[in-house]
Amino acid sequence: EAQVTQNPRYLITVTGKKLTVTCSQNMNHEYMSWYRQDPGLGLRQIYYSMNVEVTDKGDVPEGYKVSRKEKRNFPLILESPSPNQTSLYFCASSAGGGTSPSLYEQYFGPGTRLTVT
Amino acid sequence: AQSVTQLDSQVPVFEEAPVELRCNYSSSVSVYLFWYVQYPNQGLQLLLKYLSGSTLVESINGFEAEFNKSQTSFHLRKPSVHISDTAEYFCAVRYTGGFKTIFGAGTRLFVKA
Repeated sequence: EAQVTQNPRYLITVTGKKLTVTCSQNMNHEYMSWYRQDPGLGLRQIYYSMNVEVTDKGDVPEGYKVSRKEKRNFPLILESPSPNQTSLYFCASSAGGGTSPSLYEQYFGPGTRLTVT
Repeated sequence: AQSVTQLDSQVPVFEEAPVELRCNYSSSVSVYLFWYVQYPNQGLQLLLKYLSGSTLVESINGFEAEFNKSQTSFHLRKPSVHISDTAEYFCAVRYTGGFKTIFGAGTRLFVKA
């Protein structure tokens, strides 16, 4: 089954404790992205990756890191989480990284609800 | 700055009534437009998309959206809603030549019996 998986689904942590949220897709997609969803703000893009070893900042990258060492995986790293990073996080992937627009449809993971106290 | 505005944060409607969810974007360049739906406690899934060609696009579950270039709008409509359409709907824009997708703040559709 084609899917995007994220782990963990729920995470409660304390300020300053480094954490990683994993994201994996099995569709051989080139493009992957991380979003955070906050009430009244919709989805805001944190980082995206056009292919292995190619990443770029989205609209709200502060406090986050990413890496793309393999095509299927795109982990999100919070080196020193703070309470303002409490949010619902989504990973997404799509086949198109800048080529055919018919491939721009994004497939989303189930989400990771992060609480930082 | 590029932005997407969904004009209604919440839309309550009775079952079998028509509904329109409004979306406007800021741009004078070519765009690709999407509507995604998020059911409770789930991720987003594509509802429909406009890439080129006919300005009216349809989904398999009765929704349709019309691209209006002069008004920079992409409103979503359904002539008769069901209880199962209760969800949050997001309008999204990707600008040609770019890699970023910009989402609106979402419209929560609540269908009442």
